[in-house]
Amino acid sequence: GENVEQHPSTLSVQEGDSAVIKCTYSDSASNYFPWYKQELGKGPQLIIDIRSNVGEKKDQRIAVTLNKTAKHFSLHITETQPEDSAVYFCAASPNQAGTALIFGKGTTLSVSS
Amino acid sequence: ETGVTQTPRHLVMGMTNKKSLKCEQHLGHNAMYWYKQSAKKPLELMFVYNFKEQTENNSVPSRFSPECPNSSHLFLHLHTLQPEDSALYLCASSQDQLETQYFGPGTRLLVL
Repeated sequence: GENVEQHPSTLSVQEGDSAVIKCTYSDSASNYFPWYKQELGKGPQLIIDIRSNVGEKKDQRIAVTLNKTAKHFSLHITETQPEDSAVYFCAASPNQAGTALIFGKGTTLSVSS
Repeated sequence: ETGVTQTPRHLVMGMTNKKSLKCEQHLGHNAMYWYKQSAKKPLELMFVYNFKEQTENNSVPSRFSPECPNSSHLFLHLHTLQPEDSALYLCASSQDQLETQYFGPGTRLLVL
């Protein structure tokens, strides 16, 4: 089955710097890759997603890139702000009926001012 | 707000108690999920329901019993839990099983 590895597990940056979180997946049939942000005391919230027919997607300060050949995808946050501090999860969909998203273990991002 | 609500938000129970967690989605979705989130572990999928039918049970102990009376409501019945079952229990829903999942705020469970 699908397996998703996420790195790093923790990431500390200064306000204004960029942050990059990387994930690899094992099932070449996976075609949907969402990213979630989880703030303290809340459930994970979708922040951006990408499908396998595109290589990059941007939404203001957030971007996701996908390399299907290498089977990895990354989250890029530019001009980080303290409110970006949270746990970020990547996920992959194995594109099989009857299955659900497979999540990475999460990255704790801390942005210090 | 994501359109997925969970009650209660916090629950403390003894190992001999019976309690239920409730999830409701107002998004018109057809699939609903229960996840367990423990400290320093990835999200663990527990159960999946699609059009009220259970489609996945990830080897969850029988002390957790799900119920999906309709596409908008999902319950997790708990009985004779163990302290290691203490965790954040998250509910999610999606249009179908391959689409974006929207999560509720979770129920923080402590088993004494």
